[in-house]
Amino acid sequence: NAGVTQTPKFQVLKTGQSMTLQCAQDMNHEYMSWYRQDPGMGLRLIHYSVGAGITDQGEVPNGYNVSRSTTEDFPLRLLSAAPSQTSVYFCASWQRHSSYNEQFFGPGTRLTVL
Amino acid sequence: SQQGEEDPQALSIQEGENATMNCSYKTSINNLQWYRQNSGRGLVHLILIRSNEREKHSGRLRVTLDTSKKSSSLLITASRAADTASYFCATVPFQGAQKLVFGQGTRLTINP
Repeated sequence: NAGVTQTPKFQVLKTGQSMTLQCAQDMNHEYMSWYRQDPGMGLRLIHYSVGAGITDQGEVPNGYNVSRSTTEDFPLRLLSAAPSQTSVYFCASWQRHSSYNEQFFGPGTRLTVL
Repeated sequence: SQQGEEDPQALSIQEGENATMNCSYKTSINNLQWYRQNSGRGLVHLILIRSNEREKHSGRLRVTLDTSKKSSSLLITASRAADTASYFCATVPFQGAQKLVFGQGTRLTINP
C-alpha cells in the first residue's frame, strides 16, 4: 500500500491564483482531513470528511474548499491564493470504526504564495 | 484554538540521555496520542493512551497521563541521533470524534 499520497510536493503561486492540492489514500479509510502547519506551530485543521459526499469545516476553513466524490480522494482547493496561505499542508486519513483515531499522514505540500 | 500546549518548545540533549516532553490540554479527552515529525516529513503515530490509563510503554517510549491535571508526558529513554525530530501531542475529545487537536510541538535535538 502507498498509504496517503499528496501532490505536488512544492508549489509557488502568485496572489490571486487558484490551485488544487491533491490527496489520495489506498487504505479504504472513511475519514480524511486537511491540516496546515505554520512555523513553530502544530497542525490546524482546515476541513475534514467522514465519507464520500460529506465534508465539514475545521478550525481554519476560510479561503479553502473541499469535496469528497470518492473514498480515496480528498482534494483541497485554494480559490484565490493569499500570502497568508503560505504554509505546509498535510492530508491525513483514518478508519471510522477504529476506537483509536490513529491518523495516517501524507508527506505534505509546501506552498508559497507571493 | 489548539488544545495542547507542549513544554519545552525545544530540547537539546546528548545521545544516550533520556528526553522528557510534556503536554497540557484544556478539555476532557477520550485519548491522547503522540506523533513524531522528522524534518520535512509528515507525522508518524507513536503511541496512544486512553483516558482510563495512567501509563503506557512501547519500546523506548513511556507515556503517562494525569487526567486530574490534564497533562501527559512522553519519555524517550536512551536517546539516539535518529530520535531528532519534533514531537506533538494530540487529543481526541470523545470516542468516535472526527478530529484530532494538536499541540504546538517540542523540537528535540539529540547531539552525538
